Amino acid sequence: QKEVEQNSGPLSVPEGAIASLNCTYSDRGSQSFFWYRQYSGKSPELIMFIYSNGDKEDGRFTAQLNKASQYVSLLIRDSQPSDSATYLCAVKGFTGGGNKLTFGTGTQLKVEL
Amino acid sequence: EAGVAQSPRYKIIEKRQSVAFWCNPISGHATLYWYQQILGQGPKLLIQFQNNGVVDDSQLPKDRFSAERLKGVDSTLKIQPAKLEDSAVYLCASSSISGRVYEQYFGPGTRLTVT
Repeated sequence: QKEVEQNSGPLSVPEGAIASLNCTYSDRGSQSFFWYRQYSGKSPELIMFIYSNGDKEDGRFTAQLNKASQYVSLLIRDSQPSDSATYLCAVKGFTGGGNKLTFGTGTQLKVEL
Repeated sequence: EAGVAQSPRYKIIEKRQSVAFWCNPISGHATLYWYQQILGQGPKLLIQFQNNGVVDDSQLPKDRFSAERLKGVDSTLKIQPAKLEDSAVYLCASSSISGRVYEQYFGPGTRLTVT
């Protein structure tokens, strides 16, 4: 079982719709959860983090965390073509001495006109 | 605030050759990470430094990869000798402690092609 799992997609949504990206993780001791956006040929860019159960909103983005189900999601409201990218879910665990991020393989999102 | 700097941006070498990548983290960030990202996959941590000490190098292929962070600032990642499967983007990231959350910021990466 992979430590962080994401559907690779592509996930296609029309412009203006809500895009829902999902991620599950295997380590119940995981502490913090991150969503990165990666445009083709570019490096990952942090867009959201969450560490408490529930929802966290930032502009058009909402991160949702359910630790009991080991599930984290990212909702993008009013999707725009500029949101087309790969979205990486990352989970922070703890190694002896420091924090460590484990990434999923990413979900490719395509927002269509 | 300047971001994470990396060089070179692109490198093409033949298998069995050696290569080195350089990273300069965000000023004041004590923690530095090297990741390998193979096409279609998420970044995989190779090595993590806290100041100039190694925190985690469990996924670093130590027979061919080495990394150092002298003086706790810049870092160099070396591959010697390179294999075809080392073709990937090598990402450097840095972070500082901010409350309970440890946000990592990535540099532009070095795209390595091994032929």
